[in-house]
Amino acid sequence: DVQVVESGGGLVQPGGSLTLSCVASGFTFSSYWMTWVRQAPGKGLEWVANIKQDGSEKYYVNSVKGRFTISRDNAKNSLSLQMNSLRGEDTAVYYCTRNFGVFDSWGQGTLVTVSS
Amino acid sequence: DIVMTQSPDSLAVSLGEGATINCKSSQSVLSSSDNRNYLAWYQQKPGQPPKVLIYWASTRGSGVPDRFSGSGSGTDFTLSISSLQPEDVAVYYCQQYYNAPVTFGQGTRLEIK
Repeated sequence: DVQVVESGGGLVQPGGSLTLSCVASGFTFSSYWMTWVRQAPGKGLEWVANIKQDGSEKYYVNSVKGRFTISRDNAKNSLSLQMNSLRGEDTAVYYCTRNFGVFDSWGQGTLVTVSS
Repeated sequence: DIVMTQSPDSLAVSLGEGATINCKSSQSVLSSSDNRNYLAWYQQKPGQPPKVLIYWASTRGSGVPDRFSGSGSGTDFTLSISSLQPEDVAVYYCQQYYNAPVTFGQGTRLEIK
């Protein structure tokens, strides 16, 4: 079965940093774009960042450009999101998803809370 | 960015009755090169991640019951549920993947009347 499992969320102060991780299994990880999508409490879904199969292309929503970095390690079937200069509006559940335009496999998400 | 607007924001339907959710995009998501609508529908049940129901506007995802159907083209799309079941209580989102960045509708909350 296709599975993705996120980890690394937690409580962080404004201006702080956090790194999220996602481990995938059940599919050929290196063959797919991967994506982070977030959902603020009680709100809708927002695409955050994409990374190409070989890591050569990365794209970000404007609100996180320059602060977040997406990366992957195909040897370890893992995806990461390094988040710096965190703000209150970054508070959300962050989901790792397999991406073929449509997001067909989602993890349970990891909660990031930015608060003093 | 393409703006996706869903209607209604919430909907209450009796068990066994049909439900219809609409989604409108600010520009066409129909590709002239492959004649496909780059539009998907997701279901998110309380406390769970989203699950893809429909892609290419009308293709059901793996394991999705046939009471769910998608229709529409260009800028106007519809998700229909033919006979509401208790397990269909959820928030439903449309999403376009025609242009980067992908964008979602604001969601429609479906409840039992």
